[in-house]
Amino acid sequence: ETGVTQTPRHLVMGMTNKKSLKCEQHLGHNAMYWYKQSAKKPLELMFVYNFKEQTENNSVPSRFSPECPNSSHLFLHLHTLQPEDSALYLCASSQRGTSGADTQYFGPGTRLTVL
Amino acid sequence: AQRVTQPEKLLSVFKGAPVELKCNYSYSGSPELFWYVQYSRQRLQLLLRHISRESIKGFTADLNKGETSFHLKKPFAQEEDSAMYYCALSEDDYKLSFGAGTTVTVRA
Repeated sequence: ETGVTQTPRHLVMGMTNKKSLKCEQHLGHNAMYWYKQSAKKPLELMFVYNFKEQTENNSVPSRFSPECPNSSHLFLHLHTLQPEDSALYLCASSQRGTSGADTQYFGPGTRLTVL
Repeated sequence: AQRVTQPEKLLSVFKGAPVELKCNYSYSGSPELFWYVQYSRQRLQLLLRHISRESIKGFTADLNKGETSFHLKKPFAQEEDSAMYYCALSEDDYKLSFGAGTTVTVRA
């Protein structure tokens, strides 16, 4: 599959569960991102990995834990989530260049429901 | 603080009519601005970016630093333009701040 893929596409979990979201990019990019898209709120940047190093953590609660084992894969580990964490979680990737802002390429998202 | 404002949540136009989506931003540096689009059942994708100065699918957007705006325009809307449109501001070359989005419906 080409582009940015995310699994699972849908996830329902209880507040005591532990689960992980997976993102894989097939574009040869060197930066990856996690975004949260809630109803009635703008898309929010959660984490940024640049050359596998985390460069941004936008005050995200510790119940969300990212992992980037290599430049093609990105995970979001979830534990003891709250119902308000229910949202669409989007992964994106880009090629960090030497000038100008990157164009980001998005995955289809994982629809997460926390019961 | 909200850096990107899209004042219209919903926009409905007739096919063939002009359409304009408003975007205002707040940023003290040199802004780089984008429009992303999400068609029904498709992923979010780049429509255009201001530094490219190009027209994509008939859409154009001009950066107005005096008015801190980056409005998206198309002279003749088509039914396939129905989608959710997001204005985004790039900070530090890689962080994107998105507006809340505008849902456009083009009616026949």
